Amino acid sequence: KQEVTQIPAALSVPEGENLVLNCSFTDSAIYNLQWFRQDPGKGLTSLLLIQSSQREQTSGRLNASLDKSSGRSTLYIAASQPGDSATYLCAALRYGGSQGNLIFGKGTKLSVKP
Amino acid sequence: DVKVTQSSRYLVKRTGEKVFLECVQDMDHENMFWYRQDPGLGLRLIYFSYDVKMKEKGDIPEGYSVSREKKERFSLILESASTNQTSMYLCASSSTGYGNTIYFGEGSWLTVV
Repeated sequence: KQEVTQIPAALSVPEGENLVLNCSFTDSAIYNLQWFRQDPGKGLTSLLLIQSSQREQTSGRLNASLDKSSGRSTLYIAASQPGDSATYLCAALRYGGSQGNLIFGKGTKLSVKP
Repeated sequence: DVKVTQSSRYLVKRTGEKVFLECVQDMDHENMFWYRQDPGLGLRLIYFSYDVKMKEKGDIPEGYSVSREKKERFSLILESASTNQTSMYLCASSSTGYGNTIYFGEGSWLTVV
C-alpha cells in the first residue's frame, strides 16, 4: 500500500532563506507526483506536477525534483518570503486502479518570519 | 481561469439530517472527486467520478453517497449526518489521463451537532 510521508510537519525560517521540503513515498510505481499549497481554511492550489519520466519541474522560485528509485521528492523554495507561509502537501498518483488513486502526505506547515 | 466552486462554505447541521454538498466545475473535466480533510489524518478520498453517472468508492465511502447527473456537477450526500462527519470537505476535478493537474475548490466546513 502506497504511503506518502512529509517531514518535518512544521518549519519556521527567516525571510530570504532558501529551503527544502521533503516528501517520501513507499511504492516507486507512480504516474506522477504533485505539490500543492494550502492556505488556512482554504482549498489546495496546485504548484508543480512532475511526471514519472521527469526529474524536475520549475516555476518561478519553486523547483521540485523526483527520484523514483529512492522514493523521494523535494520542493525547493528560493529566497523565501512571508507570503510563502502556508501548508505544502505532496501527492503521488499510483499505478493501477483508477485516476482516483492520488495519495496525499499530511503536509509541512511553513512559516516565513519577516 | 480554472474554477471549482463549492456552493456552501460553512454549514451547521443536526445529527440525523440529510446533507447535500454541491460542487460545480467550469473546465469540462471528466473526473471529479470528494475528499475530507481532518487534522492528523490528512486528505482522504470519499468518492470519485470519471464520467456522468459513473462513480467509484474511495477510501472512506461509508455514510456517504454521491450523484453526478451532469458533467459539471458532483454532489456529496450525507444520508443521516453524524457528529463524526464534522470535517472540511474538498471537491476537486481533473481532465482524463494520468498526467493532469487536479484542481480544488475552496472547501466546505461542515459541523454536525
